[in-house]
Amino acid sequence: AQSVTQLDSHVSVSEGTPVLLRCNYSSSYSPSLFWYVQHPNKGLQLLLKYTSAATLVKGINGFEAEFKKSETSFHLTKPSAHMSDAAEYFCVVSYNAGNNRKLIWGLGTSLAVNP
Amino acid sequence: DAGITQSPRHKVTETGTPVTLRCHQTENHRYMYWYRQDPGHGLRLIHYSYGVKDTDKGEVSDGYSVSRSKTEDFLLTLESATSSQTSVYFCAIAGTLNTGELFFGEGSRLTVL
Repeated sequence: AQSVTQLDSHVSVSEGTPVLLRCNYSSSYSPSLFWYVQHPNKGLQLLLKYTSAATLVKGINGFEAEFKKSETSFHLTKPSAHMSDAAEYFCVVSYNAGNNRKLIWGLGTSLAVNP
Repeated sequence: DAGITQSPRHKVTETGTPVTLRCHQTENHRYMYWYRQDPGHGLRLIHYSYGVKDTDKGEVSDGYSVSRSKTEDFLLTLESATSSQTSVYFCAIAGTLNTGELFFGEGSRLTVL
């Protein structure tokens, strides 16, 4: 069975400090993995994706994530938080299922950035 | 930004009334999705479409129907709205299944009193 677990529902950091949002997954297939970001009262935007190429993936706004198969993890990091990074972040596992592509969504991590 | 427009963006209605939400895309993408987002549940798939007149159920399809008569429009209908359908509804589109990447609209907030 496929599943995604975001290990923290809320993370609070100070501006300028590193960000770590944790995601573990379970998949019987070779998964594609994504991080999406949702700013308040907005739609979701793709931050970065892993699709079986390089295990270290760079995304927009200075975020990156590392696919670790042995740990079944896909943690999202950023060296230095900015106030504009305050948002909800979703980890997603994706795999083909018939005529559709199944997406399994994590429940989200709310990131607060303090001045 | 992907050309996705949801309408209405906000709606308040009463229990038992029909409601239709519209998703319009200008990207000519084949795949379209309706999700609902609720606190503590994340995003849950209601229905999706893999082509004109080709639709299928997602994980929370009860009480919802969809139609796609042309590539650019995907309609979500609540035949008789209930308070449990108060939510934020997101439309998403995809041009290919190869990557699983979706492009989202800005959401429609529905309140059922």
